[in-house]
Amino acid sequence: SQTIHQWPATLVQPVGSPLSLECTVEGTSNPNLYWYRQAAGRGLQLLFYSVGIGQISSEVPQNLSASRPQDRQFILSSKKLLLSDSGFYLCAWSGGNIGTEAFFGQGTRLTVV
Amino acid sequence: LAKTTQPISMDSYEGQEVNITCSHNNIATNDYITWYQQFPSQGPRFIIQGYKTKVTNEVASLFIPADRKSSTLSLPRVSLSDTAVYYCLVGGPNSGGYQKVTFGTGTKLQVIP
Repeated sequence: SQTIHQWPATLVQPVGSPLSLECTVEGTSNPNLYWYRQAAGRGLQLLFYSVGIGQISSEVPQNLSASRPQDRQFILSSKKLLLSDSGFYLCAWSGGNIGTEAFFGQGTRLTVV
Repeated sequence: LAKTTQPISMDSYEGQEVNITCSHNNIATNDYITWYQQFPSQGPRFIIQGYKTKVTNEVASLFIPADRKSSTLSLPRVSLSDTAVYYCLVGGPNSGGYQKVTFGTGTKLQVIP
């Protein structure tokens, strides 16, 4: 069966520090991969999605970036965090075969102080 | 992607059937309709997906009229543990939804004892 791993679960970082969140998927090949952010009490905002290695599409201009160095690995990064980057970050994958069924990781609660 | 519209919030008593309707007037021929459930501090969880008529699984039923411009998620005999945000998504191959999984604001369901 397919599983998705996302870490760390929680993170407290100072303003201006770098960020690296990692997500890996097991049990499937060539998945579509996604990074979302959810601010407190708000909906999910799609940040990046990827349909293959090295293929990244950005949905929202910001100081975040994403990379897909391997088929089942998706990384969210920032060189310098802002206070507004605080939120709940979720990685997800989908097979893309039918509809929009996606499977989510457990999320990372990021607090920028 | 077809835009979706759902009520922002709903209240229901325990044991009642809850119906959440989603409007998607611009749904494309190849689009599927997918519903997710999200608890606080967790990633969304897939509930049910359908294309037309009625789909039922162990958790919910999904009713889709012939014109497919709306859909209704039905939760039978809700319990307190069904308190969550429910998202309706529309997308599929050849409509942009194949690659992007974009969430709307969702419906916050509060189950009352």
